[in-house]
Amino acid sequence: GAGVSQTPSNKVTEKGKYVELRCDPISGHTALYWYRQSLGQGPEFLIYFQGTGAADDSGLPNDRFFAVRPEGSVSTLKIQRTERGDSAVYLCASSLTPGTSGYNEQFFGPGTRLTVL
Amino acid sequence: DQQVKQNSPSLSVQEGRISILNCDYTNSMFDYFLWYKKYPAEGPTFLISISSIKDKNEDGRFTVFLNKSAKHLSLHIVPSQPGDSAVYFCAAKNSNSGYALNFGKGTSLLVTP
Repeated sequence: GAGVSQTPSNKVTEKGKYVELRCDPISGHTALYWYRQSLGQGPEFLIYFQGTGAADDSGLPNDRFFAVRPEGSVSTLKIQRTERGDSAVYLCASSLTPGTSGYNEQFFGPGTRLTVL
Repeated sequence: DQQVKQNSPSLSVQEGRISILNCDYTNSMFDYFLWYKKYPAEGPTFLISISSIKDKNEDGRFTVFLNKSAKHLSLHIVPSQPGDSAVYFCAAKNSNSGYALNFGKGTSLLVTP
């Protein structure tokens, strides 16, 4: 079946603009995660959704970042007043509902490369 | 602060030999550890994992070793193949504080023919 898809694959914007990044998770996956990977770094957690609700948004760097998942499937990461430091690859992942123990594999999409000029 | 550290940014190994990738962590509450592999322009893909109650997990050519007292884990690939050339990320999670993965910076492995 189809994996996690992300659009656009590349986004170039100017400082101060607003951007939206979209993630389509694997069908049936109730958990969805956003990560950000800056140059030379590993992925950094931003936010986790269980269904429609943000169960953990502790990784969002500031209030310019916001994410939604209104129907429990597709998610949109929204960045207001973009800054040059926001330039990174934004990765989305999905998984089955995490259990009380063990681990459900997170499947990653190819990412959206955001460049803020 | 970086809670998961991969101190070798790159590693070059000859085909057929063993590749050993290392990872250290600082948070003693981590109880699950994973290795992800990433090719250019693709997302990371899960490779192998280990729970903190074990010290070794093997899957084909890939073995992960965990030394909890040293807060160290390693990934062994034997024998290494050119198709293994990729960036390898070590990740860890604390099951009691959510589902986020904490990643290291990655090690770029090059397997030469």
